[in-house]
Amino acid sequence: AQKITQTQPGMFVQEKEAVTLDCTYDTSDPSYGLFWYKQPSSGEMIFLIYQGSYDQQNATEGRYSLNFQKARKSANLVISASQLGDSAMYFCAMREAYSSASKIIFGSGTRLSIRP
Amino acid sequence: EAQVTQNPRYLITVTGKKLTVTCSQNMNHEYMSWYRQDPGLGLRQIYYSMNVEVTDKGDVPEGYKVSRKEKRNFPLILESPSPNQTSLYFCASSRTGFEQETQYFGPGTRLLVL
Repeated sequence: AQKITQTQPGMFVQEKEAVTLDCTYDTSDPSYGLFWYKQPSSGEMIFLIYQGSYDQQNATEGRYSLNFQKARKSANLVISASQLGDSAMYFCAMREAYSSASKIIFGSGTRLSIRP
Repeated sequence: EAQVTQNPRYLITVTGKKLTVTCSQNMNHEYMSWYRQDPGLGLRQIYYSMNVEVTDKGDVPEGYKVSRKEKRNFPLILESPSPNQTSLYFCASSRTGFEQETQYFGPGTRLLVL
């Protein structure tokens, strides 16, 4: 069965430092997509970055990059040069191609707090 | 502006009083979905729809109903709400149900069932 694990319930990071948020997944499907979302205190869900299972390179979007290690089934989000506005909940999610007929699962989230 | 809208944004109700949360998207997306978010559990999928008249259960469908009569609308119905359905609800849509498609979320509906 598909599963997403985020082992860090909360993290504190100094402003301007880089931060890595962990995400491991479990799937038997050969084709899948991995997503990261940000949820600020206002509550909305903001899409950050996508990684496909067949992508050869790690995805990047501005200050966000995804450290994709397929053999280890991990898809960690890296935020470079953190800013106060990065304080939020972050969710990792997975979407399979075949096994689960387009069901999507989310991890339990990591609350990131940036210290000035 | 491309968006997913939900109404109401906040709702307080009592046990057993039927309610409907509306969801609408203006992006001509085929795939729509409902989630509930509870502390420590992340988002859990309630129901999803691959297209008009095609719906299926997610991981936590008990106590909920949905319908997809039009492509743009995907209402969530609670026939007899109970306190354990107090939660933050999100509607989301994507162009298709394929694994590479990004979902776009509505602003959320906070529901309190007394």
